Amino acid sequence: SLELTQPPSVSVSPGQTANITCSGKKLGRKYTSWHQQKTGQAPVVVIFQDSRRPSEIPERFSGSNSGDTATLTISGAQAVDEADYFCQVWDNDIVTFGGGTKLTVL
Amino acid sequence: EVQLVESGGGLVQPGGSLRLSCTASGFIFSNYWMHWVRQAPGMGLVGVAQISGDGTATTYAESLKGRFTISRDNGAGTLFLQMNSLTTDDTALYYCTYASGWHGSAIDVWGQGAMVTVSS
Repeated sequence: SLELTQPPSVSVSPGQTANITCSGKKLGRKYTSWHQQKTGQAPVVVIFQDSRRPSEIPERFSGSNSGDTATLTISGAQAVDEADYFCQVWDNDIVTFGGGTKLTVL
Repeated sequence: EVQLVESGGGLVQPGGSLRLSCTASGFIFSNYWMHWVRQAPGMGLVGVAQISGDGTATTYAESLKGRFTISRDNGAGTLFLQMNSLTTDDTALYYCTYASGWHGSAIDVWGQGAMVTVSS
């Protein structure tokens, strides 16, 4: 089954760009979504179908997916963006999540 | 309003069993694949099991095959997870979830979760 690998942590200063990667075999051939999870809350979709953004999510969130790597980019990260981020794929197998990346903005 | 409400969590001894339920409302339950996703304390999200809308197809995480069984009652709008031979590694918050389709294949609707604690 597909395995998705994320860096455990990413740290940026406010206003900088944060890039969070998700690696998996031929991941670029599958739709990847990204979820933001804050402490004690259920996850929220921030990117779906690789690069589409729900209307309620700020424009600073964007995504891409090619080859074996999907990337979530937060341009001009803010303190409010501090959270855990998970990539997710669901095609013909059990829904699969990456291990999660803790984003610190300070 | 779309809602998923889990129940049945609690404290169970190693080797014991537990049955989780998820009551769905606000959407046509039988139209959707449903999923159980768990999250151990301080850890990531893991897909546990999923079931097709008509209940004829199921998929399980490889490591859980044989111990967990997912099922559904479309007439009652309820999803179940039967968990047997529980170990301390099964301690987690269990979410009932599904992909509404508004965001492609992204899992975008979550219940509040049912906490399962396996301890002696």
